[in-house]
Amino acid sequence: GAGVSQSPSNKVTEKGKDVELRCDPISGHTALYWYRQSLGQGLEFLIYFQGNSAPDKSGLPSDRFSAERTGGSVSTLTIQRTQQEDSAVYLCASSQSRGRGSPLHFGNGTRLTVT
Amino acid sequence: AQSVSQHNHHVILSEAASLELGCNYSYGGTVNLFWYVQYPGQHLQLLLKYFSGDPLVKGIKGFEAEFIKSKFSFNLRKPSVQWSDTAEYFCAVSPSGGSYIPTFGRGTSLIVHP
Repeated sequence: GAGVSQSPSNKVTEKGKDVELRCDPISGHTALYWYRQSLGQGLEFLIYFQGNSAPDKSGLPSDRFSAERTGGSVSTLTIQRTQQEDSAVYLCASSQSRGRGSPLHFGNGTRLTVT
Repeated sequence: AQSVSQHNHHVILSEAASLELGCNYSYGGTVNLFWYVQYPGQHLQLLLKYFSGDPLVKGIKGFEAEFIKSKFSFNLRKPSVQWSDTAEYFCAVSPSGGSYIPTFGRGTSLIVHP
């Protein structure tokens, strides 16, 4: 079946512009995660959605970052007034549930470059 | 909050060599443990996982990992690597309760020479 889909795959933007990154999770997966991966770094947790519960935003690095998940499916990560340090690969993942070691299924990521 | 340490950042091996990648975590409670792999040009995918039972778990492509609770470790092993094992390997830990949000290590880049 279809996996996690992310768009765009690459995004180059000028410093100060806003960007929107999209994630389409696997159908039926209730949990959705956003991570980012900077060069030489591991995956940094950003935000987590589980069903209709309030999202866990504890990983968002600043108030320029926000995300929403509409209808329990598609999610959009928005970065306002982008900075050069925002350059990274943004990864979306979904899982069937949050318990019992349910593994994450990752998309291919969006490579964001802020010039 | 939990944390994960992967001590080997870059590993270079020849084919048929044995592999062991270290992973240590810090967390006071019960955890689920994972190894993910990212082959060149592909997305991250699950290699193997542990959440209970036998601490020695086997995954795809001949990989295995052993959970040693007393050492807070979950090292990945393969007795004989192949060129196709060239990839980035990530260890991850999630609490068994609460948010379940996985924390990832920095990753280990493995290059296998034919």
